[in-house]
Order: sequence, then structure tokens, then C-alpha cells
Amino acid sequence: GDSVTQKQGQVTLSEDDFLFINCTYSTTTYPTLFWYVQYPGQGPQLLLKVTTANNKGISRGFEATYDKGTTSFHLQKASVQESDSAVYFCALVMNYNQGKLIFGQGTKLSIKP
Amino acid sequence: NSKVIQTPRYLVKGQGQKAKMRCIPEKGHPVVFWYQQNKNNEFKFLINFQNQEVLQQIDMTEKRFSAECPSNSPCSLEIQSSEAGDSALYLCASSPTGSGNTLYFGEGSRLIVV
Repeated sequence: GDSVTQKQGQVTLSEDDFLFINCTYSTTTYPTLFWYVQYPGQGPQLLLKVTTANNKGISRGFEATYDKGTTSFHLQKASVQESDSAVYFCALVMNYNQGKLIFGQGTKLSIKP
Repeated sequence: NSKVIQTPRYLVKGQGQKAKMRCIPEKGHPVVFWYQQNKNNEFKFLINFQNQEVLQQIDMTEKRFSAECPSNSPCSLEIQSSEAGDSALYLCASSPTGSGNTLYFGEGSRLIVV
């Protein structure tokens, strides 16, 4: 079945470090891809959305590129801040699945001040 | 700030008790989803509706779980007889349409079953 994989369960960085969070997917056709961020005590919030029509999403300094060749959608940010500490989820939706999101395992980002 | 409103934020129930959570979707969003997020951050899809009709649901919801989205009233998710394994964050999300559109989540209702 369709799936999303995030291999990094936790990432710890210092402020101003470069962020890279790995995400790969396995689907029967091309999905719409998302990154959601979840802060403690809150629900997931949309960070980025990329469809097959646009290869890259950029928001709040974060960016992710839809790579159909490697079936990846890695999240990057040039310089992280302490306020970026949260759990980041890669997710996908298939056009035949009535909008149901399939989530990755999540990556907890901790930023040392 | 989330425009999907979930109540209550927290509920504590004894085993065997009923637990009911409510959700007001974002205005103009006809599609509503319920997910369960466990302590390991894993999401489990429970059910989704378009207007008042069920689109998909997993087997679990056909037994102790029930959900509805009546016209002009909040959507609800009810667990008839809570079990310890039901302790989780229950997330409601809404979407403009089902296919390929963004899901907007509420803050969640955290259920603790003691």
C-alpha cells in the first residue's frame, strides 16, 4: 500500500544550523505531498504543500522539493531557530483516497539555544 | 490559530465509561476527518464524512466507536466503552473537498483512560 517513511526519529541542532529532514514515499501513482508541523499541545499545522504541478514548496524559510525520480520530499531550512522546535510530519494524499492523509513517523526537532 | 474547533481539550474517563468529543469544522469545509494520534506520534485514520455522509471508516469505528456529522450541529466522535488503549489525542480535521486538498486540524481532544 501507499506509505511514507521518515528515518530520523529525532534531530538535535544548534541555532543557525542547517536542517535536513529525510522523507521518502512509496505510491502507485503521483501523490500530493505535505509537511505538517506539530508544536507541543497543538494539532498539526500545514507547513508546505506540493502537487505534481509544482515541484517545490517554500514557506517560513522551509523548503521541500518533490523528486519523482527518487520518490523523496526532504525538508530543508538554511538556519534554524529555537522556535522551530517541534515534530515535523511528512504526509501524502492520493487522488483516489478521498482525501485521507497518510503520515510518516514524524521527526522531533530540538534546537539548543 | 486553528479554525477547526475541538472540545473538550482534555477528558479523563474510567474504563468502560463513554467518552464524547466534538468538532466544529472550518466554515465552508464539507469534508471532516477524525484521526487518533498515539503517544508514539502515530496517526490512525478513523473515519471521514462529506456533509453528513460517511466516506470511509476503519473496522474499529464499527464496534465501540461511533461518529456523526449532523446538519447544523457539531460533528462528534464517541467511544461507547473506553479502554486503556484508547488513551490518545483525537484530532479532527476539515477540508474544502476530499481529493488532494489540504486538511486543517484542530487542537485535538486528549483522552486519558484510567
